[in-house]
Amino acid sequence: EPEVTQTPSHQVTQMGQEVILRCVPISNHLYFYWYRQILGQKVEFLVSFYNNEISEKSEIFDDQFSVERPDGSNFTLKIRSTKLEDSAMYFCASSEGGRRGETQYFGPGTRLLVL
Amino acid sequence: DAKTTQPNSMESNEEEPVHLPCNHSTISGTDYIHWYRQLPSQGPEYVIHGLTSNVNNRMASLAIAEDRKSSTLILHRATLRDAAVYYCILRSTGNQFYFGTGTSLTVIP
Repeated sequence: EPEVTQTPSHQVTQMGQEVILRCVPISNHLYFYWYRQILGQKVEFLVSFYNNEISEKSEIFDDQFSVERPDGSNFTLKIRSTKLEDSAMYFCASSEGGRRGETQYFGPGTRLLVL
Repeated sequence: DAKTTQPNSMESNEEEPVHLPCNHSTISGTDYIHWYRQLPSQGPEYVIHGLTSNVNNRMASLAIAEDRKSSTLILHRATLRDAAVYYCILRSTGNQFYFGTGTSLTVIP
């Protein structure tokens, strides 16, 4: 069964450094998403991406964050200058379409630790 | 998005059926009801979704009240692998899912 994959599984970085989290969505999907989950807290939406542009973003997704689909398969989340509070699990998701009945399929996550 | 209310936690014996309730009294006519679960240290996993009619798939059944103000996720035979946090989510406008705190299901061997 097709699945969303994410790399790396774990990333440790120093505060102020840039990190890039990578995702390979399911191949025929057109909508891509990033969510994050701080330890012990809810899963929170960051951004959705369709047709090579951001379609929706949350208040969390400020200027420190950016997303890109650099080629036909990868979808990346960049954090320019990491802060301690960026430590979280980051989940990528994809869906075939964007309608309300569409299922989003989530990857296993990248655990980011900012020191 | 409309709010959902779920019990914080539930327990079930292994191989017994489990009924996980969700209240969504402010649901609108076009909101879909989605259920996801999250096993420890994993990403959310799709379980089932529906609009008005009851739904069945290989993982679970979804029973939707006639007035759509509540729904119940039914696991027919709980296994230890079903221990997870179960989220009931209403999808209305926009692309995002709003995850609440969900129901933490403990399966007792």
